[in-house]
Order: sequence, then C-alpha cells, then structure tokens
Amino acid sequence: QVHLVQSGAEVKKPGASVKVSCKTSGYTFTDYYIHWVRQAPGQGLEWMGWINLKNGGTNYAHNFQGRVTMTRDTSISTAYLDLSSLTSDDTAIYYCARVKILGLTTSTTYFDYWGQGTLVTVSS
Amino acid sequence: QSALTQPASVSGSPGQSITISCTGTSNDIGRYDSVSWYQQHPGKAPKLIISDVIHRPSGDSNRFSGSKSGNTASLTISGLQAEDEADYYCCSYRPTMTWVFGGGTKLTVL
Repeated sequence: QVHLVQSGAEVKKPGASVKVSCKTSGYTFTDYYIHWVRQAPGQGLEWMGWINLKNGGTNYAHNFQGRVTMTRDTSISTAYLDLSSLTSDDTAIYYCARVKILGLTTSTTYFDYWGQGTLVTVSS
Repeated sequence: QSALTQPASVSGSPGQSITISCTGTSNDIGRYDSVSWYQQHPGKAPKLIISDVIHRPSGDSNRFSGSKSGNTASLTISGLQAEDEADYYCCSYRPTMTWVFGGGTKLTVL
C-alpha cells in the first residue's frame, strides 16, 4: 500500500529556514512527481510547486520563487521541501502529495495520495 | 495567481443532495478537463474524491459526482450523510504545469 510519511512539527524563528521531508513507500518512487501544498491555520489549500522524482526537475509557484527549493533522494525514496526567510505568514501545515508522470513533460493532474502534513510554526 | 471561487459554506439535511460550485477562468477550468475535488475532515489531510472533472477513485462512494460547464465545475453529493460534513476543495490544472485551488467550502449536514 502507498504511504507518504512526513517529518515532525517544527518551530522556527523569523528569518530562519525549514526543511520538511516526505518519505514514500509502496510504489515506484521515480514514476511520480511530488507536489507540496500548504494550509495556513483556518485557511484553504495553497499549491507551492512540484519536483519530478525521475529527473529532479522543479516548478515553483510564483509566490514562492526565490525562497523555496524542492529536492529528492532516490536512494531512500524521500522528497524534501526547503523554505527560507520565514515569516509568521509561513505558519502552516505543509503537505506532500503525489502525481503520476505520464511523459517527458506531462502528468496526471490530480493528487491521489497525500502525506499526513507537517506543522511549521514561525514565531519569535 | 487568484484562487478558484467557491461558496464559503453550504448545508443540507440527511438524504438530500447538495451542489458546490467552483468558478475559474478560460485559462484553467474552461481550458482543461483537469478539475479535481478533495474532501478534508478536521485535522486530517485532504482526500481525492473526484479527478478529471467526473472520475471517482475505484471503490469510492458513487454519491459523489462531478461536472463542468464553461469556466465552472461542480461537485454534487447525493443522499447526504453525517460523515459528509467536511471541507471541500476544487483544484484545476493551469498552463505550464501549475495548479490552483479553490478557497474551500464548508459543508454542514443539518
């Protein structure tokens, strides 16, 4: 069975960086993208970007460009989200979710499995 | 990048049907048959309930159905049950491999 298991909650000070991991199992890691989606307290879902787990290509939402880096380690089937220059507005639950690779630059368009979420709190 | 537009809340009684709308633009919902819907219970991760406008994951309840007309997609839940009370989010693919979510709709089962 498919599992996406994320790292534990983090508390960071403004200006710091945070790295969240998403360890996958139960399927072929490199057949998928991992997308990252966040949810501020009491708010809706916000798409942040993706990483192609086969070739490491990335695409980030405009709102996060310059502050976000998505990477992966194929040897341990794990994807990572790095977010820098944190402010209180970055306090949120961060989710990873997978999307299937169809071709060189195409994929399915829905998130079929999600991680359990990682709470990142930014506070001085 | 504006979010898709959903009503903040809808409600219905057990056994009734409700519909949640999701309005985008000609650059997302109107351009692609790539709308998905997610159910989120409090404290839980979102769960896929509809993909590519109309498709349900295998084994999932057939009480959930999706449709699209122009720039607006819709989720219909028939035979409302108490367990359907949750937040619902639409999501659409946009050009050059980007995605956008709706603001979410809180469903209350009366």
